[in-house]
Amino acid sequence: KQEVTQIPAALSVPEGENLVLNCSFTDSAIYNLQWFRQDPGKGLTSLLLIQSSQREQTSGRLNASLDKSSGRSTLYIAASQPGDSATYLCAVEVSGGGADGLTFGKGTHLIIQP
Amino acid sequence: DAGVIQSPRHEVTEMGQEVTLRCKPISGHDYLFWYRQTMMRGLELLIYFNNNVPIDDSGMPEDRFSAKMPNASFSTLKIQPSEPRDSAVYFCASSSEYEQYFGPGTRLTVT
Repeated sequence: KQEVTQIPAALSVPEGENLVLNCSFTDSAIYNLQWFRQDPGKGLTSLLLIQSSQREQTSGRLNASLDKSSGRSTLYIAASQPGDSATYLCAVEVSGGGADGLTFGKGTHLIIQP
Repeated sequence: DAGVIQSPRHEVTEMGQEVTLRCKPISGHDYLFWYRQTMMRGLELLIYFNNNVPIDDSGMPEDRFSAKMPNASFSTLKIQPSEPRDSAVYFCASSSEYEQYFGPGTRLTVT
């Protein structure tokens, strides 16, 4: 059974710092990996999706990498801002073509101090 | 597109009552997923549909839970009878191939 772990569970850093969130998964036979952001009391917003054949994806100040063989992904946030404060969730999909649900980690609760 | 739409946004009910949650997926998406989020267990997949057909319901907790998708633009998740341990946020998501897009969720409280 696929298990997804996110470290750290919580992180508080001053504004402007670059930071890295970690995600690991037990079964490397994944189809894709998706990073989400969740604000308190809100739904999930998709940030980046990395397909199994890709190594990384970038969107603005966000960069996500994927190492399937080691079962790891990282989300890099550059020049953090208070508006980045949220819970960040990592999720993997086992099958292809949207043919399976996502297995989620418990998330990293991020606070950016002004 | 308005995104995935869920209703109601909040539901408070008494133990033993029937609860129905509703979801309208993004037009053109042929996959629909129901998830549940709790503090203890995080986000868990309950059931998903492909072209209105249930594919995997192994995540449904017990027989009190049922889900239907009568057409491509509507799905329901029903709990009958509801119990306090069903209190959670229930999310619906849809996808066409890769990314899943989530609705705002329904916060269910069973007293």
